[in-house]
Amino acid sequence: NAGVTQTPKFQVLKTGQSMTLQCAQDMNHNSMYWYRQDPGMGLRLIYYSASEGTTDKGEVPNGYNVSRLNKREFSLRLESAAPSQTSVYFCASSEQVWGTEAFFGQGTRLTVV
Amino acid sequence: EDQVTQSPEALRLQEGESSSLNCSYTVSGLRGLFWYRQDPGKGPEFLFTLYSAGEEKEKERLKATLTKKESFLHITAPKPEDSATYLCAVQAGGQNFVFGPGTRLSVLP
Repeated sequence: NAGVTQTPKFQVLKTGQSMTLQCAQDMNHNSMYWYRQDPGMGLRLIYYSASEGTTDKGEVPNGYNVSRLNKREFSLRLESAAPSQTSVYFCASSEQVWGTEAFFGQGTRLTVV
Repeated sequence: EDQVTQSPEALRLQEGESSSLNCSYTVSGLRGLFWYRQDPGKGPEFLFTLYSAGEEKEKERLKATLTKKESFLHITAPKPEDSATYLCAVQAGGQNFVFGPGTRLSVLP
């Protein structure tokens, strides 16, 4: 029972490079989320997908794009990485978007130099 | 604007010394309040969901309670393995999960 799996676990990018963070869940959840966590800022929502086929912006969407590939997979893309995007990124999923707990992956630690 | 604050920012306890962590929120239309535990280098691990004032949930040495303005996470006779950062999050109105900054708990043997 893997839960929420994120790849890669660590990544170093140069400013301007692009990359995609992958996330998959095996709990048959409808909703999926991408968060970033920075010291002193807590967890902030980047984008979420309430159900397959829909995506919506969260609190800090600028510089990111997402794709809900199917019910299991939700990817986050950085088109042109900036040092301000250095952070730990967490993917999460929940049964429904409202009123049900979210389960988190182990995180991707991204450094942009 | 929906806000979630947590206190204290950090807490050091001796093993067996019970205490409480606080999560205060200013939201309208609460859909749920969630407690998580996060260990260094790991993702948050779900602990409890509370939906309405007066509700309580328990798990081992942890007990979560909810009022109309705040939630408490009571830790009874903590052990060193309870050391972690404890996060609370709320869902309210049209907003998705809003997380507090967390309380770093250290339990010394």
